[in-house]
Amino acid sequence: GESVGLHLPTLSVQEGDNSIINCAYSNSASDYFIWYKQESGKGPQFIIDIRSNMDKRQGQRVTVLLNKTVKHLSLQIAATQPGDSAVYFCAENKTPGNQFYFGTGTSLTVIP
Amino acid sequence: DSGVTQTPKHLITATGQRVTLRCSPRSGDLSVYWYQQSLDQGLQFLIQYYNGEERAKGNILERFSAQQFPDLHSELNLSSLELGDSALYFCASSGTSGRATEQFFGPGTRLTVL
Repeated sequence: GESVGLHLPTLSVQEGDNSIINCAYSNSASDYFIWYKQESGKGPQFIIDIRSNMDKRQGQRVTVLLNKTVKHLSLQIAATQPGDSAVYFCAENKTPGNQFYFGTGTSLTVIP
Repeated sequence: DSGVTQTPKHLITATGQRVTLRCSPRSGDLSVYWYQQSLDQGLQFLIQYYNGEERAKGNILERFSAQQFPDLHSELNLSSLELGDSALYFCASSGTSGRATEQFFGPGTRLTVL
């Protein structure tokens, strides 16, 4: 499941620190925005989603913020752990058509 | 383990050939999605089936086709293969709604076209 070959933005954080991963989207018509995590050699794993009429949603150790004014989405991970090391993708879900569009991903490395 | 299975895990074939990738969704899931993850284009949505019927179509080439069978497993058929079709192909499934953002991905099939 690696995305090697793409020029991925990278982020390195110290274990225990908070991480912020950013994503810019292009289409204001998207209904949902979604974050997925992909560990090396595995398929993507759903983390959290947010409906387009919301600004913030919290999950377990994660928070997603949506700024529709500047078309910006962010994922905040609290108290980052080594197991959080992965590539993180933002995705848009649009109707009609139920289309899914994924960003190129950000590679997060957690330093023990 | 997501509960989604894909076979085969690896596939090596030649240009011009045809292959079939298979996916079994999580027990009870009615929707199956297919994605292609390549080195130059990232993760691309190909097609979705819901309870046997095509529900959504993404960037799927005409050389590619898919179907979902009555037992809900799905197959992705790739024909007239080109070098550029080399990629990871993921299947994902989701629950009883025809539209879901929480999808469960399988481990993928790595296709290499020589």
